Amino acid sequence: GNSVTQMEGPVTLSEEAFLTINCTYTATGYPSLFWYVQYPGEGLQLLLKATKADDKGSNKGFEATYRKETTSFHLEKGSVQVSDSAVYFCALTPSGGGADGLTFGKGTHLIIQP
Amino acid sequence: EPEVTQTPSHQVTQMGQEVILRCVPISNHLYFYWYRQILGQKVEFLVSFYNNEISEKSEIFDDQFSVERPDGSNFTLKIRSTKLEDSAMYFCASRPWGSGGQETQYFGPGTRLLVL
Repeated sequence: GNSVTQMEGPVTLSEEAFLTINCTYTATGYPSLFWYVQYPGEGLQLLLKATKADDKGSNKGFEATYRKETTSFHLEKGSVQVSDSAVYFCALTPSGGGADGLTFGKGTHLIIQP
Repeated sequence: EPEVTQTPSHQVTQMGQEVILRCVPISNHLYFYWYRQILGQKVEFLVSFYNNEISEKSEIFDDQFSVERPDGSNFTLKIRSTKLEDSAMYFCASRPWGSGGQETQYFGPGTRLLVL
């Protein structure tokens, strides 16, 4: 079946540091890949997505590139802020049509210190 | 900006009781989902719903669970006889029509269910 593996936290960084959160997946075909963010006390918000190989998703300074050869979708940001503190989830939906649900990784708790 | 809403935000119930969690998806969306997140664990897919019927369901979604779209706006998740292990955050999500999994699912803020 499909699965997503991401580095578990907490990850603690200082403000303005470079961020990488690793995500790898197992799926047949060409899934769509997503990063969702969950701020304290809130629901899940889409951060970015990529739907085919070599696509780069970007939003709010975050980027992730769909790498089919390494089955990876690592999240990066050049300079993090305290407001980026949250839990980040990598997720996928299978290729093809239908109403398939998202398969999530376990989430990475990111803590940014001033 | 339209958003998915869920009620109640918190619910406490006794083991064996029935609970109904309610969701109002975004109005022009056609696919509806329920997920749960046990404290400290990952978000897990429960069920998807399209064209007034269940489209996909996970192993978690057993006979204790049911979903319904009773009118044109609400989407509900019913747990018939709650167990302690049903304690979790339950998220509703919806997405528009589109080519399979490429479309974004929009999540509600969740209902935190505590079974005592």
